[in-house]
This record gives sequence, structure tokens and C-alpha cells, in this order.
Amino acid sequence: DGGITQSPKYLFRKEGQNVTLSCEQNLNHDAMYWYRQDPGQGLRLIYYSQIVNDFQKGDIAEGYSVSREKKESFPLTVTSAQKNPTAFYLCASSKGLAGDLHEQYFGPGTRLTVT
Amino acid sequence: AQSVTQLDSHVSVSEGTPVLLRCNYSSSYSPSLFWYVQHPNKGLQLLLKYTSAATLVKGINGFEAEFKKSETSFHLTKPSAHMSDAAEYFCVVSLFFSGGYNKLIFGAGTRLAVHP
Repeated sequence: DGGITQSPKYLFRKEGQNVTLSCEQNLNHDAMYWYRQDPGQGLRLIYYSQIVNDFQKGDIAEGYSVSREKKESFPLTVTSAQKNPTAFYLCASSKGLAGDLHEQYFGPGTRLTVT
Repeated sequence: AQSVTQLDSHVSVSEGTPVLLRCNYSSSYSPSLFWYVQHPNKGLQLLLKYTSAATLVKGINGFEAEFKKSETSFHLTKPSAHMSDAAEYFCVVSLFFSGGYNKLIFGAGTRLAVHP
């Protein structure tokens, strides 16, 4: 089955530690995205990538970093510089960045708790 | 500014009664519009999308939405609610930027509760 996988489902870290969230897709999509979801709010875009070795900051990139070394993988690192890292993180992918290619498919999410 | 507003943060209905989830958008041109559903601790699933074809859009699980340009609305409806419809629903606008890419703007979400 084609889809997007995120691991782990739940993640706990101590404050001051960096943590990396995994996102893998086998849909052969070029574009991938990371979103953050907080209670009572819609999703906010952290980073997106159109192709391998290219990525752009979204609306709330501070305290996060990404890499796109392979088409199917787009890991997100939450650094100690992120002031409020506890949230639900969602990865998505689409065929492209524009027009009909932009329809996004979402992974199941990772809930990160930092104490 | 481009935005999307979901008019109700919570909606509660009885099983078998109609569902109405309201969404208004603001855009300088006709955007693409989506409704996504999210069950607890799950990812988002696309319910339906409007991309400037028919204004009445049918989606999965009996949901449909009508695009009304004059009212800048894209309300989601279902004739008869089922217990399994209880979830959070997001209205989403896809806006095209001059840099050659689309961006999704999410509403804050409406939590639908369905009672027996």
C-alpha cells in the first residue's frame, strides 16, 4: 500500500535535547511538508521541500531544521532553540507544489512531549 | 490577507440528524478549497475538494460542500450523521503564490460530536 509513515507515534524528550522525527513516503511524490498542530488551532507550515536537496522555510521555521537527501524521506529535527516544542507534528506529501499537483496526503503524525 | 474562518469551534448533533459545518474564506481570486477530517491522534484525510469545476462537490462518507462565491463560503454538509463522523474537521484554502507554488491555509477546525 502506498502512503506516508511517521515514527515514532509518541515521543518524549527532556528540555534541551534535540530530537528528530521521521517521515517516509512511497507515493513517489516530489514535494514534502512538515506541519505543527496545537490544540484548537489549524496546522501551521514549518518547512517544505520541492525536490531532493532543496527545502524552504514555512511560517514557523525557527527552532527546526530539515534535510532532504532522498526523495522518499524528509526528517524534521526539533532543536533546543524551539521554545515550545510540545505539539503534534504532521508530515505530508504531494506530487508537486502547484495546481492540481498540490493535493496533499498526510501521515498519521507524531506527538512530541518535551518536559 | 488570505484566510479561512470556521465559524463554529464545536458542533454537536444527534445520530441521524443533518450536519452543517460552516466555513468562510477570503481571497482575491477563486481559490481551491478542501475539507479534511482528523480522528483523534490521527493524520488528516481528504473529504472533498473544490477546484473551480462544479460548485456542489461530493466527497467521501456522504459529505458534500457547496462553493458560493457571492458569500465566500464553502460549508460542509451531510444529511444524516453517523457516530463514526465524530472527529475534527478542517476547512482549507489553497492559494497560489507568484513564486510558482501553492500553500495551504488551514482553518482552526470544528470539532463534531455525535450523540446517540
